[in-house]
Amino acid sequence: GAVVSQHPSWVICKSGTSVKIECRSLDFQATTMFWYRQFPKQSLMLMATSNEGSKATYEQGVEKDKFLINHASLTLSTLTVTSAHPEDSSFYICSASSGGTGNQPQHFGDGTRLSIL
Amino acid sequence: LAKTTQPISMDSYEGQEVNITCSHNNIATNDYITWYQQFPSQGPRFIIQGYKTKVTNEVASLFIPADRKSSTLSLPRVSLSDTAVYYCLVVWENRDDKIIFGKGTRLHILP
Repeated sequence: GAVVSQHPSWVICKSGTSVKIECRSLDFQATTMFWYRQFPKQSLMLMATSNEGSKATYEQGVEKDKFLINHASLTLSTLTVTSAHPEDSSFYICSASSGGTGNQPQHFGDGTRLSIL
Repeated sequence: LAKTTQPISMDSYEGQEVNITCSHNNIATNDYITWYQQFPSQGPRFIIQGYKTKVTNEVASLFIPADRKSSTLSLPRVSLSDTAVYYCLVVWENRDDKIIFGKGTRLHILP
């Protein structure tokens, strides 16, 4: 149980392109979804938290107009990297939780490797 | 101020029991402790979660002392496939910076 599917797993595109990443909870309802970014050999850095039907809460330093998050249903959240540039290249990981508090663990997708040329 | 502190790396041998300790001195009453395992180019995988004392599941045990300022993940009889990065996560319920993953522990299992 508690499966989270993330697509695509790998994207290469030209600078200036917008890229959409999908995160789906397959067997549970995700009240809260999280988006992380991870650079090589570093830890996960939380970008934003979203609850179904409401606007995402972005962490300090994360541009909300650059990283658009939509949590339209209890099983789907999307992250769109708008007008991507080489510095946006990274490993993006989503997670989902059936609750918004710490006693409900997060279940992670397998990540999306984004490479901007 | 680090939220959680773990050893950067550990080595062990196949068949051994491995214990990884995480320090979380500022843990508050409502905070839970969760451990994750991450392989390269994959998302973290949930291992175990606890609040106090001892929790055991089919893959690991989690020991939490009474003051809850630390926790120890115990992996029984590790194999080569347990080589990964292990993170302890405390979701700081009553703080603005709720979720901060520490640097994790890079566990290397030797044959």
